[in-house]
Amino acid sequence: DVKVTQSSRYLVKRTGEKVFLECVQDMDHENMFWYRQDPGLGLRLIYFSYDVKMKEKGDIPEGYSVSREKKERFSLILESASTNQTSMYLCASSSNFGAGTGELFFGEGSRLTVL
Amino acid sequence: QQQVKQSPQSLIVQKGGISIINCAYENTAFDYFPWYQQFPGKGPALLIAIRPDVSEKKEGRFTISFNKSAKQFSLHIMDSQPGDSATYFCAADPHGAAGNKLTFGGGTRVLVKP
Repeated sequence: DVKVTQSSRYLVKRTGEKVFLECVQDMDHENMFWYRQDPGLGLRLIYFSYDVKMKEKGDIPEGYSVSREKKERFSLILESASTNQTSMYLCASSSNFGAGTGELFFGEGSRLTVL
Repeated sequence: QQQVKQSPQSLIVQKGGISIINCAYENTAFDYFPWYQQFPGKGPALLIAIRPDVSEKKEGRFTISFNKSAKQFSLHIMDSQPGDSATYFCAADPHGAAGNKLTFGGGTRVLVKP
């Protein structure tokens, strides 16, 4: 089974702090994604990556950056956390090949509260 | 501005009833339409998906109906069960299923009462 693991389920940070959210997938998927989930707004794409060291902006990249130094790991960085970044963050991965092409496999989420 | 509009936001149905969730889109380049199911405390998981070359796809009690001319698609859950209580997201992809970014609807929280 594909497993996407997000390092922290719950985080509480102060305004202005630097926040790292880590995600690791174990299925050698080429693509990795960071989504933000808010009630009524669904899932909105922050950043995605098609390959190591490659990154592309999604729909709401402002205030975020990402890093993909290894194929299995994709990190989301909040350089200076703000209260409007309080949300659930979901990491996902997908493959370009095989029977499951295009299917997103999600982690269980990281709930971030910024005070 | 959401490119995929989903309704209703929440839905309560009795066990054995039919749950219907609707989605509408504007971008005619969308050509892959999956539905994801999310249980509390878990990440979303793919439930069923359709491409616009067919008008309906059925998998067990779950059916997607697709109306290309109206740019609408819907999920029907037949014989709804308490275990179907979850949040459902429709989504659309403009480049097919090969690793491209999905645009999601706002989600529908479904509660099936026993």
